[in-house]
Amino acid sequence: GENVEQHPSTLSVQEGDSAVIKCTYSDSASNYFPWYKQELGKRPQLIIDIRSNVGEKKDQRIAVTLNKTAKHFSLHITETQPEDSAVYFCAASTGAGSYQLTFGKGTKLSVIP
Amino acid sequence: DTEVTQTPKHLVMGMTNKKSLKCEQHMGHRAMYWYKQKAKKPPELMFVYSYEKLSINESVPSRFSPECPNSSLLNLHLHALQPEDSALYLCASSQVGQGRHEQYFGPGTRLTVT
Repeated sequence: GENVEQHPSTLSVQEGDSAVIKCTYSDSASNYFPWYKQELGKRPQLIIDIRSNVGEKKDQRIAVTLNKTAKHFSLHITETQPEDSAVYFCAASTGAGSYQLTFGKGTKLSVIP
Repeated sequence: DTEVTQTPKHLVMGMTNKKSLKCEQHMGHRAMYWYKQKAKKPPELMFVYSYEKLSINESVPSRFSPECPNSSLLNLHLHALQPEDSALYLCASSQVGQGRHEQYFGPGTRLTVT
């Protein structure tokens, strides 16, 4: 089955700096890669996703890049703000059947004012 | 409406109790999911319903019993739980079909088994 590795497990950045979180996946059939943000006590919130036919996708301060050959994808957050502090999960899916997601273990991002 | 709702928000139950968790969505999604999330861990898939039929059961103990009465509702019936079952239980939903993968989560039910 699919295996998703996520690094780092914790990340502290100064407000205004950029943050990068990286994930690797094992199943070459995976074709959908979402990122979720989960604040303490809240639901996981889909913040951006990318499909395997695209190499990069941006939405304001966040971007995701995908390297299918190397089987890795990354989340980039620019101009970080204190409200970006949360746990971020990457995931991968083959899209087969009912779109079972395999999650990474999460990255706790702390943005220091 | 882009929300998935769950009730109750919090639940405390004894090991001999029977209780149910409820989930509702009105986005027209035809796939619905139950996840279990322990502290500082990612969500762990339990069950998937597709077109109101159970399509995935991730070897979940029988003390958890899912039910999908219609395309908008998903229940999780709980019976004879153990303290280690204490966790956040998340419901999610998504479309079914090529290129329509996005899963949206509800706020969860915080379950404590005493």
